[in-house]
Amino acid sequence: QKEVEQNSGPLSVPEGAIASLNCTYSDRGSQSFFWYRQYSGKSPELIMSIYSNGDKEDGRFTAQLNKASQYVSLLIRDSQPSDSATYLCAVNTGGFKTIFGAGTRLFVKA
Amino acid sequence: DTAVSQTPKYLVTQMGNDKSIKCEQNLGHDTMYWYKQDSKKFLKIMFSYNNKELIINETVPNRFSPKSPDKAHLNLHINSLELGDSAVYFCASSQDSPSGRADTQYFGPGTRLTVL
Repeated sequence: QKEVEQNSGPLSVPEGAIASLNCTYSDRGSQSFFWYRQYSGKSPELIMSIYSNGDKEDGRFTAQLNKASQYVSLLIRDSQPSDSATYLCAVNTGGFKTIFGAGTRLFVKA
Repeated sequence: DTAVSQTPKYLVTQMGNDKSIKCEQNLGHDTMYWYKQDSKKFLKIMFSYNNKELIINETVPNRFSPKSPDKAHLNLHINSLELGDSAVYFCASSQDSPSGRADTQYFGPGTRLTVL
């Protein structure tokens, strides 16, 4: 069974701090990795995608991928209360199937 | 302009009834999906269509039947609804990557189904 695992949280950080969200996956052949944000009662929306080892930065967000360790992370710098949401790690294992983790709930305290 | 739309947004019905959820995307994407998100927020794929052909059919009771009349539409019909079917159902679409993999998925607003 191909799996994507995340700590369900909640992860609580103070405003202005760095939030670090982690994800591991079991299928070594996975090639595409995504972080989605889902506010309560809303649909998931893409934050970052990453395809190769290393870091990818977009504004306050940095995705990190380590295929050897089968590990992908998302760092949120200068966390804001508006970042409070559930963050879903998603892994494309080939073809059109993307497996989602159960999500990590993040709370940013003002 | 709404990229991926679903109707209805809320659906409350009795056990044993049959209901349908409709999805439309105006992004020109080739692939559409149905996901079920349960009370624990776990998002699980149910079906996927690529260019109107069924390509993913996960272990879902055969009471659930998807139908894609064209690339822009993917509907979900559910027969003999059960209490355990209560969940939020999300439609999504994606463009194929050049290597034939699914790329970023765009989700509809969701349909909250409550079976009484």
